[in-house]
Amino acid sequence: NAGVTQTPKFQVLKTGQSMTLQCAQDMNHEYMSWYRQDPGMGLRLIHYSVGAGITDQGEVPNGYNVSRSTTEDFPLRLLSAAPSQTSVYFCASSIRDRSYFGPGTRLTVT
Amino acid sequence: GESVGLHLPTLSVQEGDNSIINCAYSNSASDYFIWYKQESGKGPQFIIDIRSNMDKRQGQRVTVLLNKTVKHLSLQIAATQPGDSAVYFCAENTGAGSYQLTFGKGTKLSVIP
Repeated sequence: NAGVTQTPKFQVLKTGQSMTLQCAQDMNHEYMSWYRQDPGMGLRLIHYSVGAGITDQGEVPNGYNVSRSTTEDFPLRLLSAAPSQTSVYFCASSIRDRSYFGPGTRLTVT
Repeated sequence: GESVGLHLPTLSVQEGDNSIINCAYSNSASDYFIWYKQESGKGPQFIIDIRSNMDKRQGQRVTVLLNKTVKHLSLQIAATQPGDSAVYFCAENTGAGSYQLTFGKGTKLSVIP
């Protein structure tokens, strides 16, 4: 199993540009989530999904959209990037209280 | 004003010594706690967990202690090795099937060879 994969690893955007961060898991987990990590801080929950077709907001959802059309994929969309969204983004899939994290995407918005 | 969280607490230990990393959690309703290890450039990796009906749980070279009275969690690493150098996070989960994790700010552990 590849586990949780994320693409791209690095991305630089200009303010106002849009992009999608990809996340996929091959463990057939129902629950997936997105976190952001800022320097010197723990991870903060952006959005999560308890299964295909079901998504909900976490602690810091503003500026981000998600959808879950399949069990495997959970993309995170930035519609109009802002410098405050410069961060490292982690996707996770979970089962039985155990969360498995991807390697992260480092995003810089200039 | 000063931004909370920009300065990561650090702990330096000699190789072979024991390490103790502490964490205070916020939600009295949390009933499941996890310690994660994050190496540079990687995602968090599960180390050990504990449920609120336990005070102590042991794994291989790691022990987690939970004090619900003061909402405090600690991670003990025995015989610390250079490979243990990383940032360690505690996370709390309100349970009941919820996988929403609230992370602490982390502690950077440096092991001196």
